[in-house]
Amino acid sequence: QVELQESGPGLVKPSETLSLTCTVSGGSISSYYWSWIRQPPGKGLEWIGYIYYSGSTNYNPSLKSRITISVDTSKNQCSLRLSSVTAADTAVYYCARHSYGYNPFDYWGQGTLVTVSS
Amino acid sequence: EIVMTQSPATLSVSPGERATLSCRASQSVSSYLAWYQQKPGQAPRLLIYGASTRATGIPARFSGSGSGTEFTLTISSLQSEDFAIYYCQQYSNWPRGVFTFGPGTKVDIK
Repeated sequence: QVELQESGPGLVKPSETLSLTCTVSGGSISSYYWSWIRQPPGKGLEWIGYIYYSGSTNYNPSLKSRITISVDTSKNQCSLRLSSVTAADTAVYYCARHSYGYNPFDYWGQGTLVTVSS
Repeated sequence: EIVMTQSPATLSVSPGERATLSCRASQSVSSYLAWYQQKPGQAPRLLIYGASTRATGIPARFSGSGSGTEFTLTISSLQSEDFAIYYCQQYSNWPRGVFTFGPGTKVDIK
């Protein structure tokens, strides 16, 4: 059974960089896409961007200037960096898997709450 | 960017009754439409993909229909564990576009 686990600081100061890691267990990170999705408290879901195991990326234009997503196949991990954060970036951050082609998010991590506050 | 809308925002249903949830896309997404269920404190769970295909382990009381811009999720006989928020999501502009979600429909107990 594939499991995804997000990890990283739960509190980030305004203007700093949010950094999260998604560790994949029970399966390989190879041959799949790995997306980051966030959900502000009490609100809906926003897709942030994805990375293919090969390293190619696609980012949401609304966040593109502040995002970097990377992958480390040797560790079975992908990572998200979001720079210049504000209170509006406070959210639960999820990583999710999808397959090559027109496919939905079939496996999700449990999510991690990141609060932006001084 | 394709905008997804859902109606109603909240649906009050009695256990055992049928629930019908709607999702609309601002432009055609063909059948590249998924439905997710989210319970408080949990990650979304994939229910339906390809507009009408149930994901692994999803009970037959969940069904999806539609194509193009209009989609429906039907729960034929609501069980207590089905009270949750349901999101639709389009993935029609893979690989270079934006994946977008609807705002959700909350199904609560009448």
